[in-house]
Amino acid sequence: QKEVEQDPGPLSVPEGAIVSLNCTYSNSAFQYFMWYRQYSRKGPELLMYTYSSGNKEDGRFTAQVDKSSKYISLFIRDSQPSDSATYLCAMTPPGGSYIPTFGRGTSLIVHP
Amino acid sequence: GAVVSQHPSRVICKSGTSVKIECRSLDFQATTMFWYRQFPKQSLMLMATSNEGSKATYEQGVEKDKFLINHASLTLSTLTVTSAHPEDSSFYICSARDSLEETQYFGPGTRLLVL
Repeated sequence: QKEVEQDPGPLSVPEGAIVSLNCTYSNSAFQYFMWYRQYSRKGPELLMYTYSSGNKEDGRFTAQVDKSSKYISLFIRDSQPSDSATYLCAMTPPGGSYIPTFGRGTSLIVHP
Repeated sequence: GAVVSQHPSRVICKSGTSVKIECRSLDFQATTMFWYRQFPKQSLMLMATSNEGSKATYEQGVEKDKFLINHASLTLSTLTVTSAHPEDSSFYICSARDSLEETQYFGPGTRLLVL
């Protein structure tokens, strides 16, 4: 079992839909959770960054962490065609020198 | 957010030549930088972790003599692909860890094509 599992998709939704992207993980030491968006032929861009459990909202994006279930989610409201990209989750334990563990990414397609 | 630059953004070279890629953190200090490789429609593959002033730590299967990494300052790391071959053609992405945060920021990537 991989440390971080993420469905590669593709996930295809109509414009305006609410999108739910998810990752599960096995390492209970993970405390920091990140979501990156990567457009084709570009480097990943940090979207959301949360610590421990709970929700964090930023505009149309909401990141949710459920440590008891080892499950994290990224919700996108009112999805737009410009949201079409690959979304990667990443997570790390706290402190020290660390190497983040990435999911393999979910490809999202928002069609007009 | 923090900015990480990479140069060049794309490079085409002949087989057997060496190519140097620069990664810079523009508005923060990065004690740790990471180098990734990504094939089309594949996830990021960590190649090595670079700590300022010390030798890089390479992931299993990555040849340190082929992929030379130097992290001479808190804002600059370089990756040199030595004696490049067509199979080295890929998308190389660096990232930098902000020393004050527990996250990392990625550069825009460098597309390498070896003919």
